[in-house]
Amino acid sequence: NAGVTQTPKFQVLKTGQSMTLQCAQDMNHNSMYWYRQDPGMGLRLIYYSASEGTTDKGEVPNGYNVSRLNKREFSLRLESAAPSQTSVYFCASSIASSGLYNEQFFGPGTRLTVL
Amino acid sequence: EDKVVQSPLSLVVHEGDTVTLNCSYEVTNFRSLLWYKQEKKAPTFLFMLTSSGIEKKSGRLSSILDKKELFSILNITATQTGDSAVYLCAPVYNNNDMRFGAGTRLTVKP
Repeated sequence: NAGVTQTPKFQVLKTGQSMTLQCAQDMNHNSMYWYRQDPGMGLRLIYYSASEGTTDKGEVPNGYNVSRLNKREFSLRLESAAPSQTSVYFCASSIASSGLYNEQFFGPGTRLTVL
Repeated sequence: EDKVVQSPLSLVVHEGDTVTLNCSYEVTNFRSLLWYKQEKKAPTFLFMLTSSGIEKKSGRLSSILDKKELFSILNITATQTGDSAVYLCAPVYNNNDMRFGAGTRLTVKP
């Protein structure tokens, strides 16, 4: 099993450009999550999907959209990138169904720089 | 705004030492607390705590939760250089929100 995979690993964008970060898991997990991690601030939840077909906002959703394409895939889209979105983005999944966090498995991360 | 405070921010010890990492939270509707270890890349899960006073243990690591005083501790005994990492705690709320602390950076010297 590959676990949680993310693409791309690195990306540089110019302000105003758009892009989609891809995430897939092969563990048959119900819940998936997108986080960003900035120096000294820990991980902050952007969006999560408790089950296929549902998505909910986390702590810092502004400037992002998500799509739970199917049970395996959960994408994060930046419509108009801003320098404040420079960060490392992590996707995670857990077996939990709606309403419960438990052990989350994280992908390797995407380092995004917005110039 | 609810706060999650981890202390110390960083810690340097020598192999064989025992360390205690702290996580305090100021949240309402608390449900559980998670601990993660983050080395160079992605965090890896250590513990989930839901009940006060019940110690969870995995090898040299153990953790306990005090829901009355709103804190959790993570203990590592007989530290090894491989324990060097950032340790993150994250309280989880009943409204499906969770907040990570900034972490404690542990460095274990040979």
